[in-house]
Amino acid sequence: DAGVIQSPRHEVTEMGQEVTLRCKPISGHDYLFWYRQTMMRGLELLIYFNNNVPIDDSGMPEDRFSAKMPNASFSTLKIQPSEPRDSAVYFCASSVGFSARSPLHFGNGTRLTVT
Amino acid sequence: AQSVTQLGSHVSVSEGALVLLRCNYSSSVPPYLFWYVQYPNQGLQLLLKYTTGATLVKGINGFEAEFKKSETSFHLTKPSAHMSDAAEYFCAVSEPRANNLFFGTGTRLTVIP
Repeated sequence: DAGVIQSPRHEVTEMGQEVTLRCKPISGHDYLFWYRQTMMRGLELLIYFNNNVPIDDSGMPEDRFSAKMPNASFSTLKIQPSEPRDSAVYFCASSVGFSARSPLHFGNGTRLTVT
Repeated sequence: AQSVTQLGSHVSVSEGALVLLRCNYSSSVPPYLFWYVQYPNQGLQLLLKYTTGATLVKGINGFEAEFKKSETSFHLTKPSAHMSDAAEYFCAVSEPRANNLFFGTGTRLTVIP
């Protein structure tokens, strides 16, 4: 089991540029989550999918952020245009079901720096 | 509404000493409770969880936590700290039969040789 795979591990970009973060969930997992972690705000849920369908995107900060899951094995989080305040570590996680019996499996994250 | 409060953003202990990381929650229904650990440059990993039944829950790496309903607490303990325990620890709460999971702000544990 390769675990949740995120790419890239690090991304440095200039303000105004488009950024795309990628995630491959664990095979067979039907839930996928995108989190953002910062010192100031801690761990925030941005959006989650069930069977490739977005269920709750209320945590997405603004229209500059969008997420897609075109199939069961791939998801993207896009920021366009990026701003310095978007600098954070972005985590993808997946699970089988969404309950206490189904712990989240996190990827190693993408550290985004917007200058 | 549910929430989680972790008292102390940083905790330092000596190697071999007791580890105690505090977590208090608020929930309108009996909650499910979790502790996750995050090692440097990695994602979070489940350490242990409480759903129902025995209130003392044992997890990986010698950690355990006790659900105390009267105190609305779920503190994490380990009798003897190891250097490898240095990490950030997150308490989380969810409501049974609801698709939600709320994380605390985390406690960074430092182990002093």
